[in-house]
Amino acid sequence: AQSVTQLGSHVSVSEGALVLLRCNYSSSVPPYLFWYVQYPNQGLQLLLKYTSAATLVKGINGFEAEFKKSETSFHLTKPSAHMSDAAEYFCAVSGKSTSYGKLTFGQGTILTVHP
Amino acid sequence: SAVISQKPSRDICQRGTSLTIQCQVDSQVTMMFWYRQQPGQSLTLIATANQGSEATYESGFVIDKFPISRPNLTFSTLTVSNMSPEDSSIYLCSVVAVGNTIYFGEGSWLTVV
Repeated sequence: AQSVTQLGSHVSVSEGALVLLRCNYSSSVPPYLFWYVQYPNQGLQLLLKYTSAATLVKGINGFEAEFKKSETSFHLTKPSAHMSDAAEYFCAVSGKSTSYGKLTFGQGTILTVHP
Repeated sequence: SAVISQKPSRDICQRGTSLTIQCQVDSQVTMMFWYRQQPGQSLTLIATANQGSEATYESGFVIDKFPISRPNLTFSTLTVSNMSPEDSSIYLCSVVAVGNTIYFGEGSWLTVV
């Protein structure tokens, strides 16, 4: 079975500061990993995905994530936070082959950005 | 990319009634899924909507409560039956599109009173 743990249900940063959202996974096979963002009263938008190509994955809106197998981590970062980044972020892992697309989500991290 | 349209976007329903949510995709996709997001919670997979056959349900979800149809490669419905306030959630449709990117609809926000 696979699982995802997001460390920190709430993260608060100042505008212009580094954003770091933590995600650790558990999987018996090399995983496919995703980060999604959910703005208030909206659905989910894909930020980026790791599918066993480059370990450093660049996504939309200046976000990137690095897959570290030794640490079973896939942390999301952004060098400089913007007010518009305030949202809830979800890390998710997918099964492979016939299970691809069936996502297991972490509990989510709410990002607050202060002026 | 894939554009997913869900209807209704929001609804308020009386307990004991049923509601059918529609998911329409702008391209043919092989895999479609339904998720539930309870208030303040993360997303949980309800089932895989299989084209031409019965849906595959995850542990804790049953067909009698959440019947699913998938008549073709672009459309699926999820019915929430005999609703109670505990069914108040966001229900989201998800697809695997070309390039193996997984997209979500905007969700159907259901309140049961």
